[in-house]
Amino acid sequence: GQSLEQPSEVTAVEGAIVQINCTYQTSGFYGLSWYQQHDGGAPTFLSYNALDGLEETGRFSSFLSRSDSYGYLLLQELQMKDSASYFCAVRDQTGANNLFFGTGTRLTVIP
Amino acid sequence: DAGVTQSPTHLIKTRGQQVTLRCSPKSGHDTVSWYQQALGQGPQFIFQYYEEEERQRGNFPDRFSGHQFPNYSSELNVNALLLGDSALYLCASSGVAGNEQFFGPGTRLTVL
Repeated sequence: GQSLEQPSEVTAVEGAIVQINCTYQTSGFYGLSWYQQHDGGAPTFLSYNALDGLEETGRFSSFLSRSDSYGYLLLQELQMKDSASYFCAVRDQTGANNLFFGTGTRLTVIP
Repeated sequence: DAGVTQSPTHLIKTRGQQVTLRCSPKSGHDTVSWYQQALGQGPQFIFQYYEEEERQRGNFPDRFSGHQFPNYSSELNVNALLLGDSALYLCASSGVAGNEQFFGPGTRLTVL
């Protein structure tokens, strides 16, 4: 089976940098994805890591260490609109592209 | 280009009833996955359809079944509804070898 652990809540100041960690245990591993979900909205894709290292997309970066079964999402220059829930999700080894989600981290950005 | 659409937006049912939820994938996508998201939790994978067949299934009972049509749209059926089935049901579509799943707005199901 799969299990993922993330902090349940994080609070950060507007303009700051925040890192959301994710550790996973899975019988097979194909990649780690990150999704953002605003209250009442649908999850939206942020990033995907299949190999070790850092992927950067604008203000968002994601890191993966396969040997440590660990990843993180880094959000820079925080804006109020970044207040949302952030989920890491494992794509299992079958590559069938279904996702197993963590319980999510609720990020609150304060002025 | 329309994204993933789902219907209905909200639904209220009573225990023991049956429900059908519908999903149209993003244009050009052939794979549809269904997820259940309880309040305060992450989405839980129900099953995935590809080429009109169930390709993979999560840890959900047989009361949950689905279908994919030749135009790639999909239905999720839940029989003998329980109170615990109350949740947001999300449909997501993806293309061949796509790393990104595109989610629809979801159907909020309430079972009384």
